[in-house]
Parts: sequence; structure tokens; C-alpha cells
Amino acid sequence: GNSVTQMEGPVTLSEEAFLTINCTYTATGYPSLFWYVQYPGEGLQLLLKATKADDKGSNKGFEATYRKETTSFHLEKGSVQVSDSAVYFCALAPWGAGSYQLTFGKGTKLSVIP
Amino acid sequence: DVKVTQSSRYLVKRTGEKVFLECVQDMDHENMFWYRQDPGLGLRLIYFSYDVKMKEKGDIPEGYSVSREKKERFSLILESASTNQTSMYLCASIRDSSSYEQYFGPGTRLTVT
Repeated sequence: GNSVTQMEGPVTLSEEAFLTINCTYTATGYPSLFWYVQYPGEGLQLLLKATKADDKGSNKGFEATYRKETTSFHLEKGSVQVSDSAVYFCALAPWGAGSYQLTFGKGTKLSVIP
Repeated sequence: DVKVTQSSRYLVKRTGEKVFLECVQDMDHENMFWYRQDPGLGLRLIYFSYDVKMKEKGDIPEGYSVSREKKERFSLILESASTNQTSMYLCASIRDSSSYEQYFGPGTRLTVT
């Protein structure tokens, strides 16, 4: 079956530090990949996505590149802010028409301190 | 903007009670989902619905049922609440099967005592 593995947290960084959250997946074919973010007290919202190999998704200074050869979709940001403190979820949608059920990783909690 | 609302942010119920969690979306989305979120386990799919009166079991349907009488509303029912159902419950919707972006509600934190 499909699965997503992401680095365990929590991750604590100082403001302006570089962020990497690792995500690897197991799936057949060519799944679509996503990063969702959950701010305190809120539901999840889509941060970025990539639908084919070598695509780079980007939003709000965050980036992730779909690497088919390493089955990875690592999240990066060059300079984090306190407002980036949240839980980040990597997710995949399986390959094939009509397959819209997402498989989520367990989430990584990020805390950014001033 | 798509809006997904859930009837309660916090709920406290007693063991054995019947519990209803309501979710409403305002964008005419076909598909709706119920997840539970637990620390260290991430999001797990309980049930989803791809049309009115249609439902499919997710990964952990035991102890839950759902109802979708109208397109915009998807209800999660705990027939007899137990303490191991204490969790955060998240509702989501998606426009159709060609779109992958799920829109989430703010969640209901349910405590069963």
C-alpha cells in the first residue's frame, strides 16, 4: 500500500535559520505529492504541491522538489520566521484517475523562537 | 474562498453517549471526508462520501457511522462514545475526483470521559 514517512519532530529553530523537513514515500506509479500546514488551533491548509517528477512546488518561501529516483519530497525554507511555527504534513495522492484519497505522514511540529 | 465549518470546536461527552459531529461546506463540493488526528499517528481516514447518500469506509471506521443527506453536510456519528475516541476530528471536502486539494475545517476536539 501507499505510505508517507516524514522526520519526527519536534523541530526547534531560531528565527532566520534554514529549515529542512524530510519526506519519503512508497507508492506505485506517479503519485502527486503535497505539503499541508496546520497552524495552532486551525485545520490543515495546502502549502504546496507537485504532480510529476522533477516538479518544484513553492509558496510563502517554502519549496519542495519531487524526486522520483529517491522517492522524496523534502520541504525547505531559507529563513524561517516565528509565524512559520506550525505542524507540517507531507501527503500523497495515488496515481490514476479518480484516486483522490490522500495518505498523510504523521506530521512534524516546527517551533521557531525569536 | 471555500469554507468548511464544523459545528463545535470543543465537545465533552460521557462514555456511552451518542455523539453527532456536523460538517458543512459552502462550495458545492462532491466529496467529503472525516479524519481523526492523534499525536504521533497523524491523520487517519474514518469515512468519506463521494455523493449524497453515498459513503465509503476509510482506514478506521469501527465505532463510527456517517450520514450525508444533503450535498453540503456530512455528519459523523459515534453510536456509543468510548474513551479511546477522545481525539481531534477534522472534516474536509474536495471539489471532484480530478482535484486533489482538500479543504479542511478547523476541527472538533472531542473528549470522552
